[in-house]
Amino acid sequence: DIVLTQAPLSVSVTPGESASISCRSSKSLLSSKGITSLYWYLQRPGKSPQLLIYQMSNLASGVPDRFSSSGSETDFTLKISKVETEDVGVYYCGHRLEYPYTFGAGTKLELK
Amino acid sequence: QVQLKETGPDLVQLTQTLSITCTVSGFSLTTYNVHWVRQPPGKGLEWMGAMWNGGGTDYNSAFKSRLSISRDTSKSQVFLKMNSLQTEDTAKYFCARHFIDWGQGVMVTVSS
Repeated sequence: DIVLTQAPLSVSVTPGESASISCRSSKSLLSSKGITSLYWYLQRPGKSPQLLIYQMSNLASGVPDRFSSSGSETDFTLKISKVETEDVGVYYCGHRLEYPYTFGAGTKLELK
Repeated sequence: QVQLKETGPDLVQLTQTLSITCTVSGFSLTTYNVHWVRQPPGKGLEWMGAMWNGGGTDYNSAFKSRLSISRDTSKSQVFLKMNSLQTEDTAKYFCARHFIDWGQGVMVTVSS
């Protein structure tokens, strides 16, 4: 199985400042179709996960452009600029390259 | 408006079978895929399997042969059935349309 390792496990951010979360894959997530199968999700407290980013760098519908993502075939970074109260929660990276689809362990974002 | 709702038991006895129904609206099961994801209390996300729009299924091998996913397109329902439940199967179970829209989840406790 592909292992996704997130860092840090938790981050505390002052509102208005930026935050970055790393996700490292045990295998290249670049598919034979040239698509990088890396996704980012946010799970707010007590809520279901929400898709933020698909195929490494594409913003999902309705997601503010304060969120951005970049990376290579195995190393990825989610950046949140100007963090707001509504950004609090656990961020997960995930892949859909092969079965089983797997997720990282999550990074908890809190406000200072 | 796309909606998914999981219904199932709160409590299942050890070694018994879990059955959960995901009832969807706002889209057709013959057009979109539905995935099952679970989340043990305080832990991360685990992909269980998928019902593809063409009617095929794929499963996380971690569940070996004890997991089954099926559907009734006329009722817009997708079904999860898992047997031989253990305490480690205690989790919130989510269905999700293409990982974009998620149900609220149903919390299932396996009790001895």
